[in-house]
Amino acid sequence: DQQVKQNSPSLSVQEGRISILNCDYTNSMFDYFLWYKKYPAEGPTFLISISSIKDKNEDGRFTVFLNKSAKHLSLHIVPSQPGDSAVYFCAAIPGNMLTFGGGTRLMVKP
Amino acid sequence: GAGVSQSPSNKVTEKGKDVELRCDPISGHTALYWYRQSLGQGLEFLIYFQGNSAPDKSGLPSDRFSAERTGGSVSTLTIQRTQQEDSAVYLCASSLGGQGWYQPQHFGDGTRLSIL
Repeated sequence: DQQVKQNSPSLSVQEGRISILNCDYTNSMFDYFLWYKKYPAEGPTFLISISSIKDKNEDGRFTVFLNKSAKHLSLHIVPSQPGDSAVYFCAAIPGNMLTFGGGTRLMVKP
Repeated sequence: GAGVSQSPSNKVTEKGKDVELRCDPISGHTALYWYRQSLGQGLEFLIYFQGNSAPDKSGLPSDRFSAERTGGSVSTLTIQRTQQEDSAVYLCASSLGGQGWYQPQHFGDGTRLSIL
C-alpha cells in the first residue's frame, strides 16, 4: 500500500511556462516532505523541503505548497527550463524511513 | 571525492551468485541509506545506518540481503544467491547525523545490477 503517491507518471510543459507536480499522501503522521530530482543514470538530487508547520516554501524558481487537510503537496517550477527535464520524486517522513512516491517524468519543451 | 561514491557502477552476474555492492558516503555524514529502484518503479527503502548500527532492517526484501557498515564510513550491501527479481539500480545516500531523516540525503549514482 503506497503511502505516497504521484498519480501523474509524466508531464509535458513548454519552456517558460509553469510546471506543477503533484503528490498525495495517506499518513497524517508525516511531518516533513522533500522533493528530489533525478536525471538518467544519476542518483536523486535534493531540491526543496517543507515542514508540516508551513504551507509554503520557496527557493528560487521552485516553490512547494502543502495542504495538510487534503494531504496533498505540489511543486511549482516557474519559469520551466529545458534543463528541468527529469524525474521528480516526492518523499515523506517520519517513521524510520523516507517514503518515496513513484515519480513524475517532467519534459520541458524548448 | 566530494559526493557519495558507489561501486561498481554496473554489475552483471548469473543467477545464484553472490554480489557485494559498496558505498562510500560523504565524509562526516553519519547516516547512510540503501535504496533500490526496480525498472519502472519508485525508490524502495532497504536499510539505514546511524554510525555502524542499523536500527531498522525491516526494509530488506529477504534474508538473502544483508548490509554492514564499518568505521562509520564505508558500507557494503550483500545479496546472496541472487535471483532475477533482484535486478535493479541500488542507490546509496548519506546525510548528516542527529535528526538524520530530516536532513536532505545526498545520493550516489547507483549500481545497476543485472541478474542473468
